[in-house]
Amino acid sequence: QVQLQESGPGLVKPSETLSLTCAVSGGSVRSGDYFWNWIRQAPGKGLEWIGYIYHTGTTNYNPSLKSRVTMLVGTSKNQFSLKVTSVTAADTAVYYCAREVAGSDAFHLWGQGTLVTVSS
Amino acid sequence: QSALTQPPSASGSPGQSVTISCTGTSSDVGAYNYVSWYQQHPGKAPKLIIYEVNKRPSGVPDRFSGSKSGNTASLTVSGLQAEDEADYHCSSYGGHNNYVIFGGGTKLTVL
Repeated sequence: QVQLQESGPGLVKPSETLSLTCAVSGGSVRSGDYFWNWIRQAPGKGLEWIGYIYHTGTTNYNPSLKSRVTMLVGTSKNQFSLKVTSVTAADTAVYYCAREVAGSDAFHLWGQGTLVTVSS
Repeated sequence: QSALTQPPSASGSPGQSVTISCTGTSSDVGAYNYVSWYQQHPGKAPKLIIYEVNKRPSGVPDRFSGSKSGNTASLTVSGLQAEDEADYHCSSYGGHNNYVIFGGGTKLTVL
């Protein structure tokens, strides 16, 4: 049974970089069958798609975040990561990693989510 | 890139049916049959309940059904049960540059 688990700092200072990792267990991030996504949800708000990475390293980012987002797939570890630069309070959210059957535009498997607060 | 429009709230009594709408544009909902619906209980991660407009993942009760007409997609929950009380989010493919667009979410209350 494949599981996803997010990890990273729960508190980030304004203007700094938010870094999260999603560990994949029970399956391989190197599978060509899936896109590996990041999605976030600000407190009391709806979901916002951040982007995805494919095992080849190909990425696709939300145009509204593209200039600040970088995603990488692990080389030696079965994980993928998210970096968001120059964060502000508007980046405060629960961040989820999610697996998508490549090209299906549906997220069948989610991590439990991790809250990241941007505050000094 | 604008979010899809959902009503903020919906409600129904146990056993009744309720329909939640999700309105987009001719560039997203109206253009592609890639509409999904997610159920989210408080403090939990979303769970996929409908994909490609009207398909249910394994294990999702057939009380949940999806449809689409023009730029509006709909989720119908039949035979409402107490455990159906949750937030429901729709999403649609918006083309390669926009990829996935979500709605603002609808809070379903079972009276």
